[in-house]
Amino acid sequence: GNSVTQMEGPVTLSEEAFLTINCTYTATGYPSLFWYVQYPGEGLQLLLKATKADDKGSNKGFEATYRKETTSFHLEKGSVQVSDSAVYFCALRDNNNDMRFGAGTRLTVKP
Amino acid sequence: NAGVTQTPKFQVLKTGQSMTLQCAQDMNHEYMSWYRQDPGMGLRLIHYSVGAGITDQGEVPNGYNVSRSTTEDFPLRLLSAAPSQTSVYFCASSPSGGNNQPQHFGDGTRLSIL
Repeated sequence: GNSVTQMEGPVTLSEEAFLTINCTYTATGYPSLFWYVQYPGEGLQLLLKATKADDKGSNKGFEATYRKETTSFHLEKGSVQVSDSAVYFCALRDNNNDMRFGAGTRLTVKP
Repeated sequence: NAGVTQTPKFQVLKTGQSMTLQCAQDMNHEYMSWYRQDPGMGLRLIHYSVGAGITDQGEVPNGYNVSRSTTEDFPLRLLSAAPSQTSVYFCASSPSGGNNQPQHFGDGTRLSIL
């Protein structure tokens, strides 16, 4: 079956540091890939998405590239801010509406 | 612009009690789903619906029922609450028509079973 594996946290960085959160997936066919962000007490919000191989999703300085050869969708940001502190979820959705989430990675950015 | 609305936000139940978690969306989305979020496990799909009158089981359906009588509403019923159902529950919706549609999430219902 489909599955998503993302790096375990928590991740603690200083402001302006470079961020990478690794995500790999297992799926049949050609799923779409997503990164969601969850702030305390809130639901998940879409951060970015990519729908086919080699697509790059980007939003608010975050980027992730759909790599079919390595079945990966790593999230990166060049310079994190305190306001980026949140939990980040990698997810996939296949053509059968099967949506799977990774376990989430908690990011804390210190001033 | 309400989006996906879940009620209640918090609930405490005793083992064996029943209750219904409400979910409503005003975006005319065909697809709706319920997830539970537990520490270290991400979100797991409980039930989903691709349109009014159609529901199906997800990854962890046991102990939960759903119905979809209208496009807007997708309530989740706990028939006889158990401590293992203590969790945060999220409802989500999206347009149908392909796997590239992201889901829109409600703010969640935090449920504790004593």
